[in-house]
Amino acid sequence: QKEVEQDPGPLSVPEGAIVSLNCTYSNSAFQYFMWYRQYSRKGPELLMYTYSSGNKEDGRFTAQVDKSSKYISLFIRDSQPSDSATYLCAMSSGGATNKLIFGTGTLLAVQP
Amino acid sequence: DGGITQSPKYLFRKEGQNVTLSCEQNLNHDAMYWYRQDPGQGLRLIYYSQIVNDFQKGDIAEGYSVSREKKESFPLTVTSAQKNPTAFYLCASRDRGAQPQHFGDGTRLSIL
Repeated sequence: QKEVEQDPGPLSVPEGAIVSLNCTYSNSAFQYFMWYRQYSRKGPELLMYTYSSGNKEDGRFTAQVDKSSKYISLFIRDSQPSDSATYLCAMSSGGATNKLIFGTGTLLAVQP
Repeated sequence: DGGITQSPKYLFRKEGQNVTLSCEQNLNHDAMYWYRQDPGQGLRLIYYSQIVNDFQKGDIAEGYSVSREKKESFPLTVTSAQKNPTAFYLCASRDRGAQPQHFGDGTRLSIL
């Protein structure tokens, strides 16, 4: 079993839809949770960064962490064609090395 | 503009040849990382460095080498011992403490 599981998609939605992206994990030591957006042939861009459980909102994006269920989510409201990309979840237990464990990514297509 | 610059964007390797990928950052970050990204496998850690003149192996270091002679530079050499080098290589850096990693735009390496 992988430490982090993420549905690869592809996920296709119409413009304006609410998108829900999810990851599950098995390591209860993870405390820091990230979502990255990656456009084709580009590096990952940090979208959201949260510590421990709870919600964090930034514009159209909301990140949720449920440590009791070992489940994290990213919600995108009023999705736009420019949101079409691969979304990677990542997490770490912190510490000096801050080693990140990544999901495989979910490919999202927002249709105009 | 502060950021991470990777070069070249595309690189081709002949059989038996070593090639070096460049990563430079002007963010004054202490830690730097190299990842390999393959379709369906997510990002895998090759090497990382937390300070100048020190680096550690990641999960897939075989066939790769690095150096960290300057804080802003962390070049990766893909040696002829790496039998399957075709991949997208990503460099990342982060500030000290529990800060998230930020990525460059990658180098795509292919075999001639």
